[in-house]
Amino acid sequence: KAGVTQTPRYLIKTRGQQVTLSCSPISGHRSVSWYQQTPGQGLQFLFEYFSETQRNKGNFPGRFSGRQFSNSRSEMNVSTLELGDSALYLCASSPYTGGTGELFFGEGSRLTVL
Amino acid sequence: SQQGEEDPQALSIQEGENATMNCSYKTSINNLQWYRQNSGRGLVHLILIRSNEREKHSGRLRVTLDTSKKSSSLLITASRAADTASYFCATMADRGSTLGRLYFGRGTQLTVWP
Repeated sequence: KAGVTQTPRYLIKTRGQQVTLSCSPISGHRSVSWYQQTPGQGLQFLFEYFSETQRNKGNFPGRFSGRQFSNSRSEMNVSTLELGDSALYLCASSPYTGGTGELFFGEGSRLTVL
Repeated sequence: SQQGEEDPQALSIQEGENATMNCSYKTSINNLQWYRQNSGRGLVHLILIRSNEREKHSGRLRVTLDTSKKSSSLLITASRAADTASYFCATMADRGSTLGRLYFGRGTQLTVWP
């Protein structure tokens, strides 16, 4: 079975631009969640989707948004980029509807904002 | 904060030695999980222990959980150079709006010298 696939792996943007990151979960997994990892804040939860519905959202500004498609693939968007948005963005999928089990992570998308 | 806190922040040992990492958390949990991350890569799930379990083994890994003290430990026996990585504990809350969301600690950086 293919793992979680995230694209792009690396990208560089400038302040004020927007970015869209994509995540393809493991086949059959319907839950997709996103995390931001920075040296200063560590791993922070962004949001979780299940069957195209956002079930939970972390404490991030409205510039951070996401969605999930009917095939469970997910995208997250960050608008009006700031320097502090530079981070490794990790997507994880899970087969568990209750979100009580392990997460399977992708390799991440490393965003650098200049 | 509901995040777990790992201790120590960094651990350096020789191959063949055992490595012990500790994690403390603040709220009641559904389960506690340990993940490994090689530099700049995605997280790999190691082991999950539920709140009603006290100890769990998986290969060279042994995890304990003490819910009265809100703490867990991860023991890696007979360490290998390939075990060099960051290790994170993550807790999943057992109720409310935080259900399904993982709270990560800052991690322990383990270095195993050949």
